[in-house]
Amino acid sequence: EDQVTQSPEALRLQEGESSSLNCSYTVSGLRGLFWYRQDPGKGPEFLFTLYSAGEEKEKERLKATLTKKESFLHITAPKPEDSATYLCAVQRGGSEKLVFGKGTKLTVNP
Amino acid sequence: KAGVTQTPRYLIKTRGQQVTLSCSPISGHRSVSWYQQTPGQGLQFLFEYFSETQRNKGNFPGRFSGRQFSNSRSEMNVSTLELGDSALYLCASSLSFGVYEQYFGPGTRLTVT
Repeated sequence: EDQVTQSPEALRLQEGESSSLNCSYTVSGLRGLFWYRQDPGKGPEFLFTLYSAGEEKEKERLKATLTKKESFLHITAPKPEDSATYLCAVQRGGSEKLVFGKGTKLTVNP
Repeated sequence: KAGVTQTPRYLIKTRGQQVTLSCSPISGHRSVSWYQQTPGQGLQFLFEYFSETQRNKGNFPGRFSGRQFSNSRSEMNVSTLELGDSALYLCASSLSFGVYEQYFGPGTRLTVT
């Protein structure tokens, strides 16, 4: 069974304090790994898709990387507006559904 | 370009009743997926529709059903509501089947009393 585990469950940072969120996965034949951001009371907002080990993608202060067993979301010099829950999801080859982790709730204090 | 819209945004129902939720995908998107989100289980896949056909189904009882119309709009129905059905129901659309950059709507918050 496909599994996605995100850590930590919650993370508090000071503004400007860089850190990383982890997403480890067990899936047979990874087709894609996805990162989403979710603000309270809203639907998840698409951030990145990673397809193969070694791939990296960046967007503003966020950088996502992928290995054969895990993905990291690096947040450089975060700001309070980066506070949100970050969700990771995987898609297995031959299947179309996304399997989500339970997310990391990030709080950035000014 | 308008995003995914879901109606209603909030709903309160009583156990045993049924409910229908609606989703309009982004213009041009033909695939619609539904998810249930709860604090304990997180986001769980319900089903996916493409070209008016259900392509994938998650591990939910038969009380949960859906359909897609020719204009790609989708509805999901839950019959004989249980307290445990209280959740945020999210709809996501993507361009086509197998193309998986999914864009989510704001969700429908269902409370079952």
